[in-house]
Amino acid sequence: DTAVSQTPKYLVTQMGNDKSIKCEQNLGHDTMYWYKQDSKKFLKIMFSYNNKELIINETVPNRFSPKSPDKAHLNLHINSLELGDSAVYFCASSSPGWGNNEQFFGPGTRLTVL
Amino acid sequence: GQQVMQIPQYQHVQEGEDFTTYCNSSTTLSNIQWYKQRPGGHPVFLIQLVKSGEVKKQKRLTFQFGEAKKNSSLHITATQTTDVGTYFCAGPGSGGYNKLIFGAGTRLAVHP
Repeated sequence: DTAVSQTPKYLVTQMGNDKSIKCEQNLGHDTMYWYKQDSKKFLKIMFSYNNKELIINETVPNRFSPKSPDKAHLNLHINSLELGDSAVYFCASSSPGWGNNEQFFGPGTRLTVL
Repeated sequence: GQQVMQIPQYQHVQEGEDFTTYCNSSTTLSNIQWYKQRPGGHPVFLIQLVKSGEVKKQKRLTFQFGEAKKNSSLHITATQTTDVGTYFCAGPGSGGYNKLIFGAGTRLAVHP
């Protein structure tokens, strides 16, 4: 069973379109994250939710809107896609305070904006 | 703002050679984590170091946390082709809830 899953794995779309990425974790974690990894492999946090509440909101364009319907799910909606949005988006989860505080990453969604 | 710097950016080694990546933080860290990302894969947690001067080993991998808790290193002895990937260090950012600031990563290539 996959611990953190994301859909879709690949997403190719035109500039100006709106798209969503979905994430689910079955680890029982309280906290979920969205990261963006650019072509140079730099990994940067975008958002974090704890028990459906937004707790981290980095300097991200407001075209990006996360939504957490419950603590096992964290979705990311992107409006008016731009070329610079092309990247791999990773979802992750953790339970701060449990042992190592390690984050478990999903397989990633490779977004290509044409 | 808080920064976590990592060097080198790339490292090419022959199989059997050793490899080290270094991580430096602009602030004192309560802990540091290391992750490995295989090509085309996702980051996978390797270890967390918490104590000043801590050294931990996982088979051929040795992790160190500096005495001042501002730097860390990962050393791989006798690299194998399975070690190929990008190694990231990550330190806790401000704001709690396990926010991590990742280093830029060191991409390791191992030539057989």
